Amino acid sequence: DTGVSQDPRHKITKRGQNVTFRCDPISEHNRLYWYRQTLGQGPEFLTYFQNEAQLEKSRLLSDRFSAERPKGSFSTLEIQRTEQGDSAMYLCASSFGGQWTEKLFFGSGTQLSVL
Amino acid sequence: SQELEQSPQSLIVQEGKNLTINCTSSKTLYGLYWYKQKYGEGLIFLMMLQKGGEEKSHEKITAKLDEKKQQSSLHITASQPSHAGIYLCGADSDDKIIFGKGTRLHILP
Repeated sequence: DTGVSQDPRHKITKRGQNVTFRCDPISEHNRLYWYRQTLGQGPEFLTYFQNEAQLEKSRLLSDRFSAERPKGSFSTLEIQRTEQGDSAMYLCASSFGGQWTEKLFFGSGTQLSVL
Repeated sequence: SQELEQSPQSLIVQEGKNLTINCTSSKTLYGLYWYKQKYGEGLIFLMMLQKGGEEKSHEKITAKLDEKKQQSSLHITASQPSHAGIYLCGADSDDKIIFGKGTRLHILP
């Protein structure tokens, strides 16, 4: 069990640029989640995949955000035309989903700063 | 939509003291999770509770879910510096977990 890994750990970008984050889940997990966390707040759900299918997207996920999980393995989260309000910690989590929501295993997150 | 309220928002305790963090849900809880987060890091799973009246312990941390399944508490006995961090409760909500805003715990030596 190598855990959930996220890359990069930190990203600084200028407003208007595009950024992409990567998440590698625990290999046997079929569900992968993306959350966003700002200072002083709990993680907010963005979207999740079961295998390669994106099953739910939060209203927080504007059309500038897109997530993919090709072949049900790693996932990418892209933000186009970044805004200062996008500055946050982006957390990825994975689980072995079945009838119930199993506990989520989280990565260390990608801290995004938009200047 | 389900909402979780945590109290207190922050807590400063002397090392060795006991403390309790509470989590109240706007709806019945079908799965309640407690996570710990170090500043700037990911979340670490502590415990999961599902049944009304359930209680679980790990080392010096005990979590309880009330009989009505709308409130949970996390109790730390004889706090240590390693307990410092952000404690988050989460609720199972349609195949995902929604989180409260967290309780920030500081331990004074």
